[in-house]
Amino acid sequence: ETGVTQTPRHLVMGMTNKKSLKCEQHLGHNAMYWYKQSAKKPLELMFVYSLEERVENNSVPSRFSPECPNSSHLFLHLHTLQPEDSALYLCASSQDQGVNNEQFFGPGTRLTVL
Amino acid sequence: AQSVAQPEDQVNVAEGNPLTVKCTYSVSGNPYLFWYVQYPNRGLQFLLKYITGDNLVKGSYGFEAEFNKSQTSFHLKKPSALVSDSALYFCAAVSGGYNKLIFGAGTRLAVHP
Repeated sequence: ETGVTQTPRHLVMGMTNKKSLKCEQHLGHNAMYWYKQSAKKPLELMFVYSLEERVENNSVPSRFSPECPNSSHLFLHLHTLQPEDSALYLCASSQDQGVNNEQFFGPGTRLTVL
Repeated sequence: AQSVAQPEDQVNVAEGNPLTVKCTYSVSGNPYLFWYVQYPNRGLQFLLKYITGDNLVKGSYGFEAEFNKSQTSFHLKKPSALVSDSALYFCAAVSGGYNKLIFGAGTRLAVHP
């Protein structure tokens, strides 16, 4: 899993904390994605970036704030989260936004909000 | 509404037997279909995809999938299951004009020795 890395792997935070999730891809890809994986629910696409521009915001609450400073790095800034935001957050990348390009996923950050 | 359905929460199969994990889709236009696998504490790994052409697609680890347009299905298959195949399997379809994946809820495959 050296293609897409995510840190931290586990995070516990209170509702008043501010934290950030980091994703880095070493594949030379131009598109990056944030997904939320909750128990017994399909993966939910949160954000899509293409060439460092946000192209999709899937009705995500403003307490989640993405940042893509370059094509290799993607961040998800978190503040004033709710317990229902506890989930596995997955980052992915693909060559570009072409519909035939498979996405490569990182191992995820397991987030627990107390 | 565009969607992907995996009707089985769990599939149980004995090692050495053939396995099938079912997937049906509902998308507008030409379907672009994918299978991913997730092992415990890991991210999703790409297995195979259907874009166009031959309806039988071969992928990683001996898996294959059959695209059936009339039944809007894309079932994942393997002739002989291994215990190491035990994992969570996701079917996905592309929606819209760019790489926006819609995932099914996942099917847990358990292969017993």
